Amino acid sequence: LAKTTQPISMDSYEGQEVNITCSHNNIATNDYITWYQQFPSQGPRFIIQGYKTKVTNEVASLFIPADRKSSTLSLPRVSLSDTAVYYCLVGDRAVMNTGFQKLVFGTGTRLLVSP
Amino acid sequence: ETGVTQTPRHLVMGMTNKKSLKCEQHLGHNAMYWYKQSAKKPLELMFVYSLEERVENNSVPSRFSPECPNSSHLFLHLHTLQPEDSALYLCASSQDRTQGAEDGYTFGSGTRLTVV
Repeated sequence: LAKTTQPISMDSYEGQEVNITCSHNNIATNDYITWYQQFPSQGPRFIIQGYKTKVTNEVASLFIPADRKSSTLSLPRVSLSDTAVYYCLVGDRAVMNTGFQKLVFGTGTRLLVSP
Repeated sequence: ETGVTQTPRHLVMGMTNKKSLKCEQHLGHNAMYWYKQSAKKPLELMFVYSLEERVENNSVPSRFSPECPNSSHLFLHLHTLQPEDSALYLCASSQDRTQGAEDGYTFGSGTRLTVV
Protein backbone atom coordinates (compact mmCIF):
# COMPACT_ATOMS: atom_id res chain seq x y z
CA LEU A 1 0.00 0.00 0.00
CA ALA A 2 1.58 3.24 -1.15
CA LYS A 3 1.28 6.03 1.40
CA THR A 4 0.72 9.57 0.19
CA THR A 5 1.71 12.87 1.79
CA GLN A 6 0.23 16.20 0.77
CA PRO A 7 -0.07 19.61 2.44
CA ILE A 8 -2.91 19.94 4.90
CA SER A 9 -4.08 23.27 3.51
CA MET A 10 -3.38 25.91 0.86
CA ASP A 11 -4.68 29.40 0.25
CA SER A 12 -5.06 31.13 -3.09
CA TYR A 13 -6.88 33.98 -4.81
CA GLU A 14 -9.24 33.96 -7.72
CA GLY A 15 -7.52 33.81 -11.08
CA GLN A 16 -4.30 32.28 -9.80
CA GLU A 17 -2.84 28.94 -10.75
CA VAL A 18 -2.71 26.45 -7.90
CA ASN A 19 -0.26 23.56 -7.73
CA ILE A 20 -0.76 20.85 -5.10
CA THR A 21 2.07 18.38 -4.74
CA CYS A 22 1.71 14.87 -3.40
CA SER A 23 4.55 12.57 -2.33
CA HIS A 24 4.27 8.82 -2.81
CA ASN A 25 7.75 7.38 -2.33
CA ASN A 26 6.57 3.76 -2.18
CA ILE A 27 4.53 3.77 -5.37
CA ALA A 28 4.46 0.36 -7.03
CA THR A 29 5.09 -0.33 -10.68
CA ASN A 30 1.44 -0.97 -11.49
CA ASP A 31 0.00 1.85 -9.39
CA TYR A 32 -1.84 4.79 -10.91
CA ILE A 33 -2.13 8.26 -9.37
CA THR A 34 -5.61 9.68 -9.04
CA TRP A 35 -6.91 12.99 -7.72
CA TYR A 36 -10.35 13.64 -6.30
CA GLN A 37 -12.14 16.82 -5.24
CA GLN A 38 -14.63 16.96 -2.38
CA PHE A 39 -17.01 19.76 -1.44
CA PRO A 40 -18.57 19.83 2.07
CA SER A 41 -21.30 17.23 2.63
CA GLN A 42 -20.77 15.72 -0.81
CA GLY A 43 -18.96 12.69 -2.09
CA PRO A 44 -15.54 13.04 -3.72
CA ARG A 45 -15.45 13.66 -7.44
CA PHE A 46 -12.85 12.16 -9.77
CA ILE A 47 -10.68 14.89 -11.31
CA ILE A 48 -7.78 13.30 -13.13
CA GLN A 49 -5.64 10.19 -13.28
CA GLY A 50 -2.20 9.42 -14.66
CA TYR A 51 0.64 6.93 -14.73
CA LYS A 52 3.60 9.00 -15.90
CA THR A 53 4.59 12.30 -17.58
CA LYS A 54 1.70 14.72 -18.04
CA VAL A 55 -2.03 14.35 -18.30
CA THR A 56 -4.41 17.20 -19.06
CA ASN A 57 -8.17 17.43 -19.18
CA GLU A 58 -10.73 20.21 -19.14
CA VAL A 59 -10.43 20.62 -15.38
CA ALA A 60 -6.77 20.18 -14.45
CA SER A 61 -3.31 18.96 -15.36
CA LEU A 62 -1.32 16.27 -13.63
CA PHE A 63 2.46 16.29 -13.75
CA ILE A 64 4.35 13.13 -12.84
CA PRO A 65 8.18 13.05 -12.92
CA ALA A 66 10.09 10.10 -14.27
CA ASP A 67 10.70 8.52 -10.85
CA ARG A 68 6.96 8.74 -10.07
CA LYS A 69 7.69 9.43 -6.40
CA SER A 70 5.59 12.55 -6.47
CA SER A 71 2.90 14.21 -8.56
CA THR A 72 1.51 17.71 -8.91
CA LEU A 73 -2.09 18.65 -9.53
CA SER A 74 -2.33 21.97 -11.35
CA LEU A 75 -5.56 23.98 -11.35
CA PRO A 76 -5.43 26.87 -13.83
CA ARG A 77 -7.05 30.17 -12.84
CA VAL A 78 -8.99 29.00 -9.80
CA SER A 79 -12.34 30.47 -8.84
CA LEU A 80 -14.20 30.62 -5.53
CA SER A 81 -16.02 27.41 -6.47
CA ASP A 82 -12.71 25.52 -6.46
CA THR A 83 -12.62 25.78 -2.67
CA ALA A 84 -12.65 22.14 -1.63
CA VAL A 85 -10.56 19.29 -0.27
CA TYR A 86 -8.29 17.63 -2.83
CA TYR A 87 -7.19 14.04 -2.36
CA CYS A 88 -4.20 12.36 -3.92
CA LEU A 89 -4.55 8.59 -4.13
CA VAL A 90 -2.27 5.88 -5.38
CA GLY A 91 -4.04 2.85 -6.75
CA ASP A 92 -3.86 -0.18 -4.52
CA ARG A 93 -4.51 -2.86 -7.00
CA ALA A 94 -5.94 -5.87 -5.18
CA VAL A 95 -6.22 -8.53 -7.75
CA MET A 96 -8.87 -10.87 -6.46
CA ASN A 97 -11.68 -12.47 -8.39
CA THR A 98 -12.26 -9.45 -10.52
CA GLY A 99 -9.19 -7.30 -9.99
CA PHE A 100 -11.02 -4.27 -8.70
CA GLN A 101 -9.20 -1.18 -7.53
CA LYS A 102 -9.46 -0.47 -3.82
CA LEU A 103 -8.47 3.10 -3.17
CA VAL A 104 -7.56 4.45 0.26
CA PHE A 105 -8.11 8.13 0.97
CA GLY A 106 -5.77 10.22 3.12
CA THR A 107 -6.59 13.52 4.82
CA GLY A 108 -6.34 15.57 1.64
CA THR A 109 -5.41 19.21 1.02
CA ARG A 110 -7.97 21.84 1.97
CA LEU A 111 -7.81 24.59 -0.67
CA LEU A 112 -9.35 27.95 0.17
CA VAL A 113 -9.81 30.39 -2.70
CA SER A 114 -10.47 33.98 -1.71
CA PRO A 115 -11.74 36.91 -3.78
CA GLU B 1 -26.97 13.89 -10.08
CA THR B 2 -23.68 12.03 -10.33
CA GLY B 3 -25.12 8.71 -11.48
CA VAL B 4 -25.02 7.36 -7.93
CA THR B 5 -28.08 8.22 -5.86
CA GLN B 6 -28.23 7.88 -2.10
CA THR B 7 -31.30 8.11 0.10
CA PRO B 8 -32.09 9.55 2.49
CA ARG B 9 -29.83 12.62 2.41
CA HIS B 10 -30.25 13.14 6.14
CA LEU B 11 -31.20 10.71 8.89
CA VAL B 12 -31.59 11.12 12.61
CA MET B 13 -32.06 7.93 14.56
CA GLY B 14 -32.11 6.78 18.14
CA MET B 15 -29.73 4.16 19.45
CA THR B 16 -32.45 1.53 19.54
CA ASN B 17 -33.78 2.17 16.03
CA LYS B 18 -33.30 0.12 12.89
CA LYS B 19 -32.88 1.98 9.63
CA SER B 20 -31.44 1.38 6.18
CA LEU B 21 -29.43 3.50 3.80
CA LYS B 22 -29.97 2.98 0.11
CA CYS B 23 -27.64 3.45 -2.83
CA GLU B 24 -28.48 3.08 -6.50
CA GLN B 25 -26.27 3.41 -9.56
CA HIS B 26 -27.22 3.44 -13.22
CA LEU B 27 -23.72 3.55 -14.64
CA GLY B 28 -23.38 -0.13 -15.44
CA HIS B 29 -20.63 -0.48 -12.85
CA ASN B 30 -20.01 -3.83 -11.25
CA ALA B 31 -18.34 -2.83 -7.98
CA MET B 32 -19.95 -0.85 -5.17
CA TYR B 33 -18.56 0.49 -1.93
CA TRP B 34 -19.61 1.96 1.41
CA TYR B 35 -17.38 4.61 2.97
CA LYS B 36 -17.72 6.41 6.30
CA GLN B 37 -16.51 9.98 6.74
CA SER B 38 -16.42 11.31 10.28
CA ALA B 39 -15.65 14.91 11.11
CA LYS B 40 -12.00 15.78 10.48
CA LYS B 41 -11.10 12.19 9.58
CA PRO B 42 -10.17 10.58 6.29
CA LEU B 43 -12.72 8.51 4.45
CA GLU B 44 -12.83 5.00 5.84
CA LEU B 45 -13.60 2.11 3.53
CA MET B 46 -16.24 -0.09 5.13
CA PHE B 47 -17.44 -2.63 2.59
CA VAL B 48 -16.75 -3.58 -1.00
CA TYR B 49 -18.99 -5.57 -3.29
CA SER B 50 -17.78 -6.85 -6.63
CA LEU B 51 -20.26 -8.59 -8.91
CA GLU B 52 -22.69 -8.63 -5.98
CA GLU B 53 -20.27 -10.55 -3.80
CA ARG B 54 -18.82 -8.99 -0.68
CA VAL B 55 -15.07 -8.97 -1.10
CA GLU B 56 -14.04 -6.62 1.67
CA ASN B 57 -15.14 -6.01 5.23
CA ASN B 58 -12.78 -3.66 7.00
CA SER B 59 -13.40 -4.78 10.57
CA VAL B 60 -16.72 -3.00 10.65
CA PRO B 61 -18.93 -3.64 13.74
CA SER B 62 -21.82 -6.01 13.21
CA ARG B 63 -24.33 -3.23 13.89
CA PHE B 64 -23.63 -2.28 10.25
CA SER B 65 -24.93 -4.87 7.81
CA PRO B 66 -24.57 -4.41 4.06
CA GLU B 67 -26.71 -5.97 1.38
CA CYS B 68 -26.23 -6.02 -2.38
CA PRO B 69 -29.27 -7.61 -4.06
CA ASN B 70 -28.05 -6.78 -7.58
CA SER B 71 -25.30 -4.84 -9.29
CA SER B 72 -27.29 -1.59 -9.24
CA HIS B 73 -28.35 -1.47 -5.60
CA LEU B 74 -26.54 -1.42 -2.31
CA PHE B 75 -27.99 -1.11 1.17
CA LEU B 76 -26.50 -0.49 4.59
CA HIS B 77 -28.72 -1.75 7.38
CA LEU B 78 -28.22 -0.05 10.72
CA HIS B 79 -29.26 -1.23 14.17
CA THR B 80 -28.40 -0.28 17.73
CA LEU B 81 -25.92 2.37 16.63
CA GLN B 82 -23.84 4.51 18.93
CA PRO B 83 -23.47 8.32 18.89
CA GLU B 84 -19.91 7.91 17.58
CA ASP B 85 -21.40 6.34 14.45
CA SER B 86 -22.70 9.75 13.45
CA ALA B 87 -21.01 10.58 10.16
CA LEU B 88 -21.45 11.07 6.43
CA TYR B 89 -21.95 7.68 4.79
CA LEU B 90 -20.90 7.60 1.18
CA CYS B 91 -21.67 5.05 -1.48
CA ALA B 92 -19.48 4.70 -4.55
CA SER B 93 -19.32 2.54 -7.62
CA SER B 94 -16.67 1.68 -10.17
CA GLN B 95 -16.06 -0.47 -13.17
CA ASP B 96 -13.28 -2.79 -12.15
CA ARG B 97 -10.42 -3.62 -14.46
CA THR B 98 -7.98 -6.49 -14.42
CA GLN B 99 -5.47 -4.38 -16.28
CA GLY B 100 -5.06 -0.81 -17.25
CA ALA B 101 -6.30 2.42 -15.73
CA GLU B 102 -9.22 2.64 -13.42
CA ASP B 103 -11.69 5.25 -14.57
CA GLY B 104 -12.18 6.36 -11.04
CA TYR B 105 -14.91 5.99 -8.52
CA THR B 106 -18.26 7.74 -8.81
CA PHE B 107 -19.56 8.78 -5.42
CA GLY B 108 -23.04 9.61 -4.29
CA SER B 109 -23.79 12.74 -2.26
CA GLY B 110 -23.97 10.74 0.94
CA THR B 111 -26.32 10.31 3.86
CA ARG B 112 -25.66 12.54 6.85
CA LEU B 113 -26.43 10.29 9.81
CA THR B 114 -26.93 11.56 13.34
CA VAL B 115 -27.36 9.06 16.16
CA VAL B 116 -29.00 10.49 19.27
